[in-house]
Amino acid sequence: EVQLPESGGGLVQPGGSLRLSCAASGFTFSSHAMTWVRQAPGKGLEWVSSISGSGGSTQYADSVKGRFTISRDNSKNALYLQMNSLRAEDTAIYYCAKGYSSTWGTLEYWGQGTLVTVSS
Amino acid sequence: EIVLTQSPATLSLSPGERATLSCRASQSVSSFLAWYQQKPGQAPRLVIYDASNRATGIPARFSASGSGTDFTLTISSLEPEDFAVYYCQHRSIWPLTFGGGTKVEIK
Repeated sequence: EVQLPESGGGLVQPGGSLRLSCAASGFTFSSHAMTWVRQAPGKGLEWVSSISGSGGSTQYADSVKGRFTISRDNSKNALYLQMNSLRAEDTAIYYCAKGYSSTWGTLEYWGQGTLVTVSS
Repeated sequence: EIVLTQSPATLSLSPGERATLSCRASQSVSSFLAWYQQKPGQAPRLVIYDASNRATGIPARFSASGSGTDFTLTISSLEPEDFAVYYCQHRSIWPLTFGGGTKVEIK
C-alpha cells in the first residue's frame, strides 16, 4: 500500500523558514517523480514543485521560485520541501504526491497533507 | 501558462442522475489531462489520467473524453460517495495547472 505521510508543517512568522518532509513507502521511490501541491484554506489546488526520480531535475512554480527548494533522499525514501522567506500567501495545506508510472505530471497518490500557517 | 476553466462551478443533482463536468484549456494540452476528486477534509484522489483512462479502483460509472482544449468527465449515475469537488489538471508543459474545480452537490 502506498503511503505518503507529510510532516513539518506549523505556524511560522513572515520571513521565516520551514522544512516539510514526506516519508514514502509501498513503492519503488527512486523510480517515480514526486510533486508538492498546496491548497490555501477554502481554495483550489496549486502546483508548487516537482522533482525527477533521480533528483537531478526540478521544476518550480513562479510563485515559489527562488524561495522554495525541493529535494529527495532516495536512500531514505524521503521527499523534502525547504521553504524560506515565507509569506502570508504561502499559508496552505501542502500535499506530497507520487507521479504515475514514468510521468511527471499525473499525481497518482497523495498524502494527507500538512498545514503551514504564515502569520505574525 | 495554460489556464484551465471548469464549468459549471456547482452542479446540483440527485443520486442516480448523470453528471457532466467540463474543462476547457486556454491552449491545446493534447491528451495530457487528469481529473481528481476531493471530499471535504481529504486529499485529492486521481480519477482519470491522460484524458480517458480510469485510475486504479475507480468504478466504471466514471468516464471521460476529450483532447486538445475541451474535456468532459461524466458520472453516469451518481452514488452518494460521488458528491465532491472535481478538479482537472494538465501535464502538457510547465507549470502544471489545475482548474478551479466543480462542486457536485446533492440537490
